[in-house]
Amino acid sequence: EPEVTQTPSHQVTQMGQEVILRCVPISNHLYFYWYRQILGQKVEFLVSFYNNEISEKSEIFDDQFSVERPDGSNFTLKIRSTKLEDSAMYFCASSEADRGWPEAFFGQGTRLTVV
Amino acid sequence: DAKTTQPNSMESNEEEPVHLPCNHSTISGTDYIHWYRQLPSQGPEYVIHGLTSNVNNRMASLAIAEDRKSSTLILHRATLRDAAVYYCILLQTSGSRLTFGEGTQLTVNP
Repeated sequence: EPEVTQTPSHQVTQMGQEVILRCVPISNHLYFYWYRQILGQKVEFLVSFYNNEISEKSEIFDDQFSVERPDGSNFTLKIRSTKLEDSAMYFCASSEADRGWPEAFFGQGTRLTVV
Repeated sequence: DAKTTQPNSMESNEEEPVHLPCNHSTISGTDYIHWYRQLPSQGPEYVIHGLTSNVNNRMASLAIAEDRKSSTLILHRATLRDAAVYYCILLQTSGSRLTFGEGTQLTVNP
């Protein structure tokens, strides 16, 4: 069964450093997403991406964050100048379309710990 | 976004059916009803979705009230692996952003 893969599974970084979280969406999917989940809290939407541009972003997704599809398979989330409060599980997801009905497939997540 | 209300937690015994309710009294005509679940230490996983009619798939069934103001996710025979947080989410036909609430923590007893 096709799946979304995320690397690394766990990343530890020092406050102020930049991190790049990587995702390989399902190959025929066109819509890509990042969500995060702070420990013990809800899963929160960050951004959606289609056709090499951001289609929607939440208020969390400020200038500290950026997304990119550098090649035909990877989808990345860059977090600049990390803060302690950026510590969370980050989930990548992909779907075939973006119109209410298609299911989103989520990866297993990257646990980011900022120290 | 229209809001959903779910019980914080439910318990079931293994091999028995489980009915997980969701209220969405402010649902609009274009909102799809999606269910996702999140097993411990994993990413969310799609379970099922519907618009107006009841739906069945290999994982579960979705029963939608005639007025669409509530729905019920049915797991026909709960297994230990079904222990998870279950989220009922409304998704507009024009949107793709999933808004997760607190969900229902399902405990399955052996």
